[in-house]
Amino acid sequence: GEEVAQTPKHLVRGEGQKAKLYCAPIKGHSYVFWYQQVLKNEFKFLISFQNENVFDETGMPKERFSAKCLPNSPCSLEIQATKLEDSAVYFCASSPTGGEHAFFGPGTRLTVL
Amino acid sequence: QQQVKQSPQSLIVQKGGISIINCAYENTAFDYFPWYQQFPGKGPALLIAIRPDVSEKKEGRFTISFNKSAKQFSLHIMDSQPGDSATYFCAASTGQAGTALIFGKGTTLSVSS
Repeated sequence: GEEVAQTPKHLVRGEGQKAKLYCAPIKGHSYVFWYQQVLKNEFKFLISFQNENVFDETGMPKERFSAKCLPNSPCSLEIQATKLEDSAVYFCASSPTGGEHAFFGPGTRLTVL
Repeated sequence: QQQVKQSPQSLIVQKGGISIINCAYENTAFDYFPWYQQFPGKGPALLIAIRPDVSEKKEGRFTISFNKSAKQFSLHIMDSQPGDSATYFCAASTGQAGTALIFGKGTTLSVSS
């Protein structure tokens, strides 16, 4: 597709529950990025992939967060045992080159109660 | 440590006026400087980007000015319109494949008619 697709649009979880977010990058784009946007403005980088390989995971809280990009499947970001502070909008972006022209999806709003 | 500092936090401009948003960075390894526009409930959309080998880039009503020695860059929106009302984010990266964008904290622009 010509747009980055993210599902679901909204996700509500009780504290301690699992959350799983999905991203379909633009066809032909080799790089996928996940960002967390908190308080409406601050973007925090989580992880990047080159095809199905993790490229940079320096932003991932590894105890509870995991992500995958498997061939012929949407990429996913999973949060085990969600905490209140995980409430944010999670954006996926894809890029053909990885260094420039990152196109963002519409985001998934995660609310942890 | 905030690597990209953006100002002002909010901006009100009259229709037809010039909107100016400024960013400063610290990491001299940054080689790619995009601006993103974000409307409420949407993902950020790439507006315009520049590399340090040029001091200015113009696309329609949007211009980036870049000052490498001062490590500053700015977005100018000429003839601002109510439809330009959005949050604008500057960002920076090394431009290398797979590397994350480091975002500023955003500027909320309101263009009054």
